Amino acid sequence: DSGVTQTPKHLITATGQRVTLRCSPRSGDLSVYWYQQSLDQGLQFLIQYYNGEERAKGNILERFSAQQFPDLHSELNLSSLELGDSALYFCASSVGASGFPSTDTQYFGPGTRLTVL
Amino acid sequence: SQQGEEDPQALSIQEGENATMNCSYKTSINNLQWYRQNSGRGLVHLILIRSNEREKHSGRLRVTLDTSKKSSSLLITASRAADTASYFCATETYSGAGSYQLTFGKGTKLSVIP
Repeated sequence: DSGVTQTPKHLITATGQRVTLRCSPRSGDLSVYWYQQSLDQGLQFLIQYYNGEERAKGNILERFSAQQFPDLHSELNLSSLELGDSALYFCASSVGASGFPSTDTQYFGPGTRLTVL
Repeated sequence: SQQGEEDPQALSIQEGENATMNCSYKTSINNLQWYRQNSGRGLVHLILIRSNEREKHSGRLRVTLDTSKKSSSLLITASRAADTASYFCATETYSGAGSYQLTFGKGTKLSVIP
C-alpha cells in the first residue's frame, strides 16, 4: 500500500459527460501528479501540483483540469468526454520540496479506471 | 512524447532464471527510475539511479546506467513467479520553475513461468 488513495476505483459514463476523480496524497507529501495510462499512448504525465499551485503541465487536454486543495487532496476534472478518454488515471504523490533534489520518489495510487461508452 | 523505450516489449522466462530489460532514452536526465506494475494496478517504485551513478543494487535487482549511450538495464536475478508484471523505466528531466518531470516508457511485460 503506497499510502495514496484514489476514488472511485471504476467509473463508467457516456460521451459528453463530465467526471471528477479524487486523490489523497501520502501524509506529508506536497506534490501531486496525474497520469493517464492507455493501451496506445502508454503512461502519460498530465499535470503536477505542489502545495496548491500548478507546477508542471504535460499532455493534458484543454477539456481536462485539475486542482489541489488546502488539505492537499487533488481532483482531476474531465469534461466533454470522448471514447478515447477511456483509460486508467493514476495519481502519484511525492515530498516535492521546493528545489528538491533529483531523488524525489513518486508513490502511485491504485488508479481510477474510466470507461466512456 | 516517449522519452524512454524499453526492450524487449515482452519477455518470458522460467522461474529461477535471470531477466534483463533495457531502456533507452533521448535527452539528458537527472535520474532514471524503474517501476513495476501488476496487471491493472498502480505502479510501484523499484529503484532510482542518479545520472552520476553507474550501477545500483537493491535485493535481487541490479540497475546499470550508461549516460554516454543513453541507456539503462534492469536485471532481476533468480526470478520468481511473483515477479510477473510490467516493468517501466522513467526518466526524470528538469521541466522548469523548480519542477522535475517523469517520462515513462511503454514497458516490458515479464512473465515468469513456474
